[in-house]
Amino acid sequence: AQSVSQHNHHVILSEAASLELGCNYSYGGTVNLFWYVQYPGQHLQLLLKYFSGDPLVKGIKGFEAEFIKSKFSFNLRKPSVQWSDTAEYFCAVNANNAGNMLTFGGGTRLMVKP
Amino acid sequence: EAQVTQNPRYLITVTGKKLTVTCSQNMNHEYMSWYRQDPGLGLRQIYYSMNVEVTDKGDVPEGYKVSRKEKRNFPLILESPSPNQTSLYFCASSMTGAAAVKLFFGSGTQLSVL
Repeated sequence: AQSVSQHNHHVILSEAASLELGCNYSYGGTVNLFWYVQYPGQHLQLLLKYFSGDPLVKGIKGFEAEFIKSKFSFNLRKPSVQWSDTAEYFCAVNANNAGNMLTFGGGTRLMVKP
Repeated sequence: EAQVTQNPRYLITVTGKKLTVTCSQNMNHEYMSWYRQDPGLGLRQIYYSMNVEVTDKGDVPEGYKVSRKEKRNFPLILESPSPNQTSLYFCASSMTGAAAVKLFFGSGTQLSVL
């Protein structure tokens, strides 16, 4: 079974700082990869996804993520964060033989100080 | 408006008193799923359903039941709630098929079992 690790549980940044959130998964086969964001008091929303092709994926709100197959990683990045990016971020993996089943990481709480 | 609707948003109950959390989607999605969100553990899947009358256990099904009598509804039932089921619950839905794995989430139900 696949598992997902997000090593940073809490991240605090000042506005305009660069962001990188780590995500590693354990599954040797073909995977689909996702980042979801949960703003305070709201439900999860899809930020970006990778199925195939260019390993550098661009999502909404200036976020991007890079799939590095050799490292089993799918790190989330943003060059310059804003206060409105304060949220919890979840990495998720879907193995190609697992139907619609998503396995989520433990989440990373990001606080951006104005 | 396309959405997943959960009710109630907040629920406080006592140990052993049966409860049901409702979930309804208006997107004609085949796939529906229940997750619980706990600090540091991310989202863990409780049960999922690939279609009407088809349900399967997720990672943490103990103490929960579900039913899928209609395509749009997927209620979560706790026959005898216990304090360790205090959590934030999310219902989600999506189309089926590997390329359609984008989950739409409900707004969540915060359950406290005393």
